[in-house]
Amino acid sequence: GQNIDQPTEMTATEGAIVQINCTYQTSGFNGLFWYQQHAGEAPTFLSYNVLDGLEEKGRFSSFLSRSKGYSYLLLKELQMKDSASYLCAVPTGGGNKLTFGTGTQLKVEL
Amino acid sequence: DADVTQTPRNRITKTGKRIMLECSQTKGHDRMYWYRQDPGLGLRLIYYSFDVKDINKGEISDGYSVSRQAQAKFSLSLESAIPNQTALYFCATSDGQLTEAFFGQGTRLTVV
Repeated sequence: GQNIDQPTEMTATEGAIVQINCTYQTSGFNGLFWYQQHAGEAPTFLSYNVLDGLEEKGRFSSFLSRSKGYSYLLLKELQMKDSASYLCAVPTGGGNKLTFGTGTQLKVEL
Repeated sequence: DADVTQTPRNRITKTGKRIMLECSQTKGHDRMYWYRQDPGLGLRLIYYSFDVKDINKGEISDGYSVSRQAQAKFSLSLESAIPNQTALYFCATSDGQLTEAFFGQGTRLTVV
């Protein structure tokens, strides 16, 4: 089976850096996805990690440690528009479907 | 126009009614999915399909059925709606295994 854990809520200040953690347990690892979802809107893809290490994409970076079953999403130079839910997801069923964590609601304050 | 389109965007229906949610896509993807989202529970998979002749149950398929009418169309039906099916429903597509999913804008369904 699979289990994905993320903090429910986080608050950070505009201009700061925030790290959103995700731990997972899954039978057969096929990488890990991060999605962003603004309230009432569709989730949108942020990143996919399959190898250990940090991958950087502008202000957003994603890290994976397969041995620890751990990933994090790092958001730099926070902006108000970054206030959203961040969803961690792992492929399951042989990689044919996605299982999502419950999401971390990030609030960016002035 | 959106690549993945869901209709209706909002719907209120009564307990016991049959309702269909529709999803169409212009991305040319073979794989299509239906999820529901509830506060505190995240996105949960209802059904998925890899082509017109392929339908698979997800983790919460009871009370739902689907139809894959064409590569571009995947419909979700609630045969007899009940209040605990009140949720935000998302359709998604993907190009293949281990590729990003593209989501529709969602259908907010309320069963009273």
